[in-house]
Amino acid sequence: DAGITQSPRYKITETGRQVTLMCHQTWSHSYMFWYRQDLGHGLRLIYYSAAADITDKGEVPDGYVVSRSKTENFPLTLESATRSQTSVYFCASSIGGADIQYFGAGTRLSVL
Amino acid sequence: GENVEQHPSTLSVQEGDSAVIKCTYSDSASNYFPWYKQELGKGPQLIIDIRSNVGEKKDQRIAVTLNKTAKHFSLHITETQPEDSAVYFCAAPNNAGNMLTFGGGTRLMVKP
Repeated sequence: DAGITQSPRYKITETGRQVTLMCHQTWSHSYMFWYRQDLGHGLRLIYYSAAADITDKGEVPDGYVVSRSKTENFPLTLESATRSQTSVYFCASSIGGADIQYFGAGTRLSVL
Repeated sequence: GENVEQHPSTLSVQEGDSAVIKCTYSDSASNYFPWYKQELGKGPQLIIDIRSNVGEKKDQRIAVTLNKTAKHFSLHITETQPEDSAVYFCAAPNNAGNMLTFGGGTRLMVKP
C-alpha cells in the first residue's frame, strides 16, 4: 500500500528555472492538495483539485501551475522559480474536500 | 473564508505533565475539526478529529473538546512522553466544504 508519494524529496534549483514537483496517490481519492510550509506561516494552500481536470486556487497560487489529467497524479510546476519559493512542499489527498487529509513526506525545495 | 487561530505557538512541558493546545475558528457552519501531528522531516498525520455533534472525543492519552457556541476546540494530551514532541496543527473546513484551513501550528517540547 504505497499511499501518497512525492518526488523528489530534495531539490536545488536556480532562479528563473522551471521545476516540477510530483505527487502520486494510490487510493483514487477525489481531492488532492498542494501546500507550502514556511517558518511562521504554518501550512498554506497553493492549489487544490476536486477531480481530474478540475483545479482551483488556494491562498498563495501566484507563480505556480498545476494540472490533473489523471486522478492519481497532481504535479506542481514553478514556471520561473524565485528565491521566495524556497520552502517545503506537501501534497495531500482526501476523499472529500473537508475530510481527513493524507499527506506525503514533502519536498524540500531550495531556489538559489 | 475560514480563519483558524492556534495558541500557543510553542509549548514546553515536563514529561508526565499535561499539554493543552487551543484553536478558534470563524465560520459557525464548520462541523469537522481535525488535529494533525507533524514529526521532524515528515508530513502531518491525523491523530484525532471531532464532528460538531459531540462535545468531546478521547483516544487513549489524547482528547479533543469542542465548544461550538464559543467557536473553539482544544487538544489535550495527558501523561506526556518525549515521543509526543512534535508540531501540532488544528484545522477547520471552509464554508464551501471543499478544503481545510490550518492553524499556524504549535511546537510541543516534552522534556524528559
